[in-house]
Amino acid sequence: NAGVMQNPRHLVRRRGQEARLRCSPMKGHSHVYWYRQLPEEGLKFMVYLQKENIIDESGMPKERFSAEFPKEGPSILRIQQVVRGDSAAYFCASSPMDRGISYGYTFGSGTRLTVV
Amino acid sequence: DAKTTQPPSMDCAEGRAANLPCNHSTISGNEYVYWYRQIHSQGPQYIIHGLKNNETNEMASLIITEDRKSSTLILPHATLRDTAVYYCIVRVESGGGADGLTFGKGTHLIIQP
Repeated sequence: NAGVMQNPRHLVRRRGQEARLRCSPMKGHSHVYWYRQLPEEGLKFMVYLQKENIIDESGMPKERFSAEFPKEGPSILRIQQVVRGDSAAYFCASSPMDRGISYGYTFGSGTRLTVV
Repeated sequence: DAKTTQPPSMDCAEGRAANLPCNHSTISGNEYVYWYRQIHSQGPQYIIHGLKNNETNEMASLIITEDRKSSTLILPHATLRDTAVYYCIVRVESGGGADGLTFGKGTHLIIQP
């Protein structure tokens, strides 16, 4: 049973380019969360998605960032026109959460984005 | 979600029990205590969670005080691989349209050989 798969592990982009980060949740998990960890800081929640729906995007920057979780395929976190301040580790987590029952989230190994 | 307070760092000798405290004095009745850890350069790892009663699993034990204002995570026989940042998080049990976890700065636990 594969864990949460994120790719690429490392991504280098020049300022102004687009970054696409992919996350495949654990088998049977239909809830995906994206977090960002800036250097020397804690993880910050960005967005929570279910299949084809954004449930909570309260942590997403208002511009340049978007996320989707299509019916088929992985969840994508997209950053347009990247700037140096976007350099960070981006983690995806998934959960099988059923209403009224919670489990610990399973995190992927992250994508480390470096903007040069 | 209620705020938590943890010491920024702790040392523990290899083979001894590591006891990591967490204060959550404003916890409300429907909020659980969750513990995660993050080993350097890896994604966070769920450890354990509980509401009122003490909990134990293959990784750790969670002791919650009777008034629920604080808790302690216990790693019974710490190994060098337990060196990590440990996060104590308080939140309602999730279901439906729940938001994500709020990570603070955690405790950097260093296991000494």
